[in-house]
Amino acid sequence: QVQLQESGPGLVKPSETLSLTCTVSGGSISSYYWSWIRQPPGKGLEWIGYISYSGTTSYNPSLKSRVTISLDTSKNQFSLRLSSVTAADTAVYYCARETSGGELWRRTPYYYYYMDVWGKGTTVTVS
Amino acid sequence: DIQMTQSPSSLSASVGDRVTISCRASQSISRSVNWYQQKAGKAPKLLIYVASSLQSGVPSRFSGSGSGTDFTLTIGSLQPEDFATYYCQQTYTIPRTFGQGTKVELK
Repeated sequence: QVQLQESGPGLVKPSETLSLTCTVSGGSISSYYWSWIRQPPGKGLEWIGYISYSGTTSYNPSLKSRVTISLDTSKNQFSLRLSSVTAADTAVYYCARETSGGELWRRTPYYYYYMDVWGKGTTVTVS
Repeated sequence: DIQMTQSPSSLSASVGDRVTISCRASQSISRSVNWYQQKAGKAPKLLIYVASSLQSGVPSRFSGSGSGTDFTLTIGSLQPEDFATYYCQQTYTIPRTFGQGTKVELK
């Protein structure tokens, strides 16, 4: 059973860089898409971005200039770096696995994606 | 970005009630909607993917429907463990976006 675990500093100073790592256990990282999502206190979920098993990245345009997601297949880990943080970046940060599937819908192949495995989350405070 | 709007934002219900939560996309997203349940202090949990497929291990009282812009999550008979916040999510395009959440509370 695949499990994800976030790790990293819980407190980051304003203008510095937030760095988190997600360790994948019980399965290989060499497949799927690996995502970061965050949730500010008392608010909803915001997708930050993902990296594919081949290293292709996609980021939320609202954060793109400050975000880097990278992959270390030798350690079965992927990482998030968010630069120039402010108090608005205070949140619980989750890593998650995005899985893809396909089906025939109205006689046409249809591909879909969903986040089926999540880490427990780690709280990062910018102060 | 595709906006996902859930309604209601919160609801009060009793054990055994049938509960329906709606999610509307700002443009057509075919069937690329997923539903998650989040309990306080916990990570989201996948309930439904591709609009109507039940994730393995999720009770059959949960069901999803819809296509295009309008989607629904239904809880057939609300159980005590179902009091939580529910989010819809579109994975039709980048960036992935979530609804604002619907909190289901005990009446």
